[in-house]
Amino acid sequence: EADIYQTPRYLVIGTGKKITLECSQTMGHDKMYWYQQDPGMELHLIHYSYGVNSTEKGDLSSESTVSRIRTEHFPLTLESARPSHTSQYLCASGTTREAFFGQGTRLTVV
Amino acid sequence: QQQVKQSPQSLIVQKGGISIINCAYENTAFDYFPWYQQFPGKGPALLIAIRPDVSEKKEGRFTISFNKSAKQFSLHIMDSQPGDSATYFCAATSGSRLTFGEGTQLTVNP
Repeated sequence: EADIYQTPRYLVIGTGKKITLECSQTMGHDKMYWYQQDPGMELHLIHYSYGVNSTEKGDLSSESTVSRIRTEHFPLTLESARPSHTSQYLCASGTTREAFFGQGTRLTVV
Repeated sequence: QQQVKQSPQSLIVQKGGISIINCAYENTAFDYFPWYQQFPGKGPALLIAIRPDVSEKKEGRFTISFNKSAKQFSLHIMDSQPGDSATYFCAATSGSRLTFGEGTQLTVNP
């Protein structure tokens, strides 16, 4: 079973601040993903990576950016947070057949 | 464009009853169909999955039925329990892309 960690679990931050959401996995998966989800709602893919130095935008347009310098690490950055960015952000890693999700970061921008 | 359509959006079942969630897909390139279960405050977790060359898969109280010609698949939860109350997502994979349905909030009343 994959171990995937997201920090922080909760973040309340002011408008205009730069934030980075951390995601790390210990299973050596090449594939990693970021999803945005409002409570109990759809999962929207915003970024994905198939390996080091490989990143792609997902189906939902997002002002965030990602990087993949190491296999185990896939951070997401918002240069200037806005209230419209308030949501839950879920990181996942996996194989072709299965995705393993972290517990998510609940972001609130005030 | 929603490639995997899921219904119903919400479902209330009495303890001991059968919960049925349906999904339909459009992309014939999908080659694996997992279901994920998500509890509040947690990331989704793989529940059960099926390949398109199989018409039914059963694991305990959970069964997937798959109809390739109709491009539909469904999750049946037998003897539903209050602990099954969660959001359920069907999904479909093509290569490394995982496409989710909109989700179904299941409530099992005692």
